[in-house]
Amino acid sequence: DVKVTQSSRYLVKRTREKVFLECVQDMDHENMFWYRQDPGLGLRLIYFSYDVKMKEKGDIPEGYSVSREKKERFSLILESASTNQTSMYLCASRRQGTTNEKLFFGSGTQLSVL
Amino acid sequence: AQSVTQPDIHITVSEGASLELRCNYSYGATPYLFWYVQSPGQGLQLLLKYFSGDTLVQGIKGFEAEFKRSQSSFNLRKPSVHWSDAAEYFCAVAANSGYALNFGKGTSLLVTP
Repeated sequence: DVKVTQSSRYLVKRTREKVFLECVQDMDHENMFWYRQDPGLGLRLIYFSYDVKMKEKGDIPEGYSVSREKKERFSLILESASTNQTSMYLCASRRQGTTNEKLFFGSGTQLSVL
Repeated sequence: AQSVTQPDIHITVSEGASLELRCNYSYGATPYLFWYVQSPGQGLQLLLKYFSGDTLVQGIKGFEAEFKRSQSSFNLRKPSVHWSDAAEYFCAVAANSGYALNFGKGTSLLVTP
């Protein structure tokens, strides 16, 4: 079965820590995405990547960066975590050129920044 | 940039009653449109999608949606709601092939006995 795996289900970090959220997909998908989900705000796009070593800013990239060194892995980095980055983070992937097809989502990482 | 608006934050429906969840999009051309559902503690699941052709699309779990260009809408409907339909529903839009999806803020559905 196809899979998008996020390394942690729950994560607790302190402010100003550098935080890495990892996402791995086993479907050989070119496109990968990072969203954050907050109550009342829905899903907001942070960054996405069309392919290896490519990245594009989404709607709310401030305070985040990403890394895509290998096709299967897309990392989200919080350079200096802040309390307003406490959120549910969702990774997704999709085959290139298939916008009309569904996104495959991971189960999410609930990050708490204290 | 393309965007979607879900005007209803919460909706309460009695079990067996019909359901309509509203979604309005903002985009000049015909966008790619989706409805996703997120049940409590679950991941997002695609209900249905539209990108061309017949404007009435059928999805899983008995859901359907109708694309109306004149109203810039893509409303989700179900003729008879089941208690298991209680969940968060998200409308999403993409401008073109290869673009990322932009999601609405979601509508939380409560189903009463």
